[in-house]
Amino acid sequence: GEDVEQSLFLSVREGDSSVINCTYTDSSSTYLYWYKQEPGAGLQLLTYIFSNMDMKQDQRLTVLLNKKDKHLSLRIADTQTGDSAIYFCAEIPRGGGNKLTFGTGTQLKVEL
Amino acid sequence: DGGITQSPKYLFRKEGQNVTLSCEQNLNHDAMYWYRQDPGQGLRLIYYSQIVNDFQKGDIAEGYSVSREKKESFPLTVTSAQKNPTAFYLCASSIKGFTGIINEKLFFGSGTQLSVL
Repeated sequence: GEDVEQSLFLSVREGDSSVINCTYTDSSSTYLYWYKQEPGAGLQLLTYIFSNMDMKQDQRLTVLLNKKDKHLSLRIADTQTGDSAIYFCAEIPRGGGNKLTFGTGTQLKVEL
Repeated sequence: DGGITQSPKYLFRKEGQNVTLSCEQNLNHDAMYWYRQDPGQGLRLIYYSQIVNDFQKGDIAEGYSVSREKKESFPLTVTSAQKNPTAFYLCASSIKGFTGIINEKLFFGSGTQLSVL
């Protein structure tokens, strides 16, 4: 099967930048996504990037895409305690229709 | 306000029992989905439905059943055949579904935590 891999945990201090990494499986994926899950809640779409882009910036969020290495990252600038959550990357692999494959999720903990 | 409502928030199942998780949406979305979330794993697709009275198996459908009699509702039954049902279950919806527009946004409910007694 296909696996989208992420580190399980990341801890940062408030005000620092956070970088969450993801290795995806299909170099022909069209869109790649970042979802955020707060404790005991569902997922919310944070941002996405089209595969012909290298970078996308949206306020404090920066997405970087390295298609050669199949590596996706999410940078959160000036990380706040409210950013503490699980972050999932997701891809739509070739032949998957519009079906998302989610990564394993990264638990981000922001310390004071 | 439009959204997806899952109930109950917590559910306990006895051995041999079937339990049903509710999912209702008032977003007028055609497509609805059920995912299972286990600690340290990504979300895995159980079933999905792209239109009323039709649904398809996802990656881990064994031991589960669904129905889609109304556009707004997509209940999931965890049957006694599911031997490891303890997990967090998430319902989601989208405008059109897998054969619709690429880059379609998924809207998620707040989840149901199912545990075995």
